[in-house]
Amino acid sequence: DAKTTQPTSMDCAEGRAANLPCNHSTISGNEYVYWYRQIHSQGPQYIIHGLKNNETNEMASLIITEDRKSSTLILPHATLRDTAVYYCIVRQGGQGGKLIFGQGTELSVKP
Amino acid sequence: EAGVAQSPRYKIIEKRQSVAFWCNPISGHATLYWYQQILGQGPKLLIQFQNNGVVDDSQLPKDRFSAERLKGVDSTLKIQPAKLEDSAVYLCASSLFVLTSGGDTQYFGPGTRLTVL
Repeated sequence: DAKTTQPTSMDCAEGRAANLPCNHSTISGNEYVYWYRQIHSQGPQYIIHGLKNNETNEMASLIITEDRKSSTLILPHATLRDTAVYYCIVRQGGQGGKLIFGQGTELSVKP
Repeated sequence: EAGVAQSPRYKIIEKRQSVAFWCNPISGHATLYWYQQILGQGPKLLIQFQNNGVVDDSQLPKDRFSAERLKGVDSTLKIQPAKLEDSAVYLCASSLFVLTSGGDTQYFGPGTRLTVL
């Protein structure tokens, strides 16, 4: 079973920041937080991952709370092409960790 | 860089028929995964290969599903015989085998949408 809880759906205005929350209260010390997204009729796409420090790349920023029990994915300037289902996944580090997808958050970016 | 290729993109069959899906991973990726995604749900791992060996097939319904990865490159997933509940999108993903602390990044193909009537 997925070890994360996410809202089922969210809306965001185009050009504004989209902040997607994720709860992972049972995360253990060697587990990472991964984010993938799935645009309609496409395969999932990797966005970002982190252990305990905040991370940023060209797609998004990941903010992990100090106790690591929750995190937020931030899309700084959402566009219509960011409309997708966003999956927050807790995964063991190293090669053996599986990606166990939950239901995800359906983000709708509106003009 | 070419992505993960899958074919066919769509397949419609009747129950009890057989079907096969093909996947060509990103060049040089040693690890290959097959996922099943039922409508409205997240993808579920069916089987993981490392080169041509099976690492994890605990979620593969072995009475009807089989998969192989000959020569450690392309892979095929077969269902025989198909049931109505096998209607889903079958996704293939691949990754480099690297022992980084964060694990590998999986790259997904577009999937094959299977409809069983």
